[in-house]
Amino acid sequence: AQKITQTQPGMFVQEKEAVTLDCTYDTSDPSYGLFWYKQPSSGEMIFLIYQGSYDQQNATEGRYSLNFQKARKSANLVISASQLGDSAMYFCAMRGAFGGKLQFGAGTQVVVTP
Amino acid sequence: GAVVSQHPSWVICKSGTSVKIECRSLDFQATTMFWYRQFPKQSLMLMATSNEGSKATYEQGVEKDKFLINHASLTLSTLTVTSAHPEDSSFYICSATGTGSRSNEKLFFGSGTQLSVL
Repeated sequence: AQKITQTQPGMFVQEKEAVTLDCTYDTSDPSYGLFWYKQPSSGEMIFLIYQGSYDQQNATEGRYSLNFQKARKSANLVISASQLGDSAMYFCAMRGAFGGKLQFGAGTQVVVTP
Repeated sequence: GAVVSQHPSWVICKSGTSVKIECRSLDFQATTMFWYRQFPKQSLMLMATSNEGSKATYEQGVEKDKFLINHASLTLSTLTVTSAHPEDSSFYICSATGTGSRSNEKLFFGSGTQLSVL
């Protein structure tokens, strides 16, 4: 069975600062994918970044980077130079070797302050 | 990028009535669609997985006779909440994936439907 854990229910971050959102996972699949999504108050799910279990390098997408530590089974999201528009709920998710369902963590509410 | 359209974005209905929510893939063939439910301040909980042309697979604890899912074409899946009650009030969101089923294939999400049952 797969399990995704986000231990930070919420956090404040000051504008222009970096913030790290924690995510740990557990799976017996040899191959899997890790995702981060952003959900603003409007409810839409916005894809941010993807990391494959066999990828050698950490994924980066603009201001988003994923700190992937396979041995520790962690996939933390780093948002650099936070902006007010980054205030949202952030979800870590995982998909198994044969595709299928995307399982989500509990989410972390981020509030960016001026 | 791929677009998934979900309608309606919000609906209010009387207790006992049925509500249909549509999820369409606009520029790709969605062989698999997923339906999630989300309560306020909580995570997305998978309700069911639907593959085009076959019966949906429901997660444990989800009543298949209550939440009817139809995936009749490669671009359309529908979720019907039958005989809705106030406890069914929630945010429902669909997602779709294309012809592949690899772990690195990202899912595209609809914009969600807020259902309020009075």
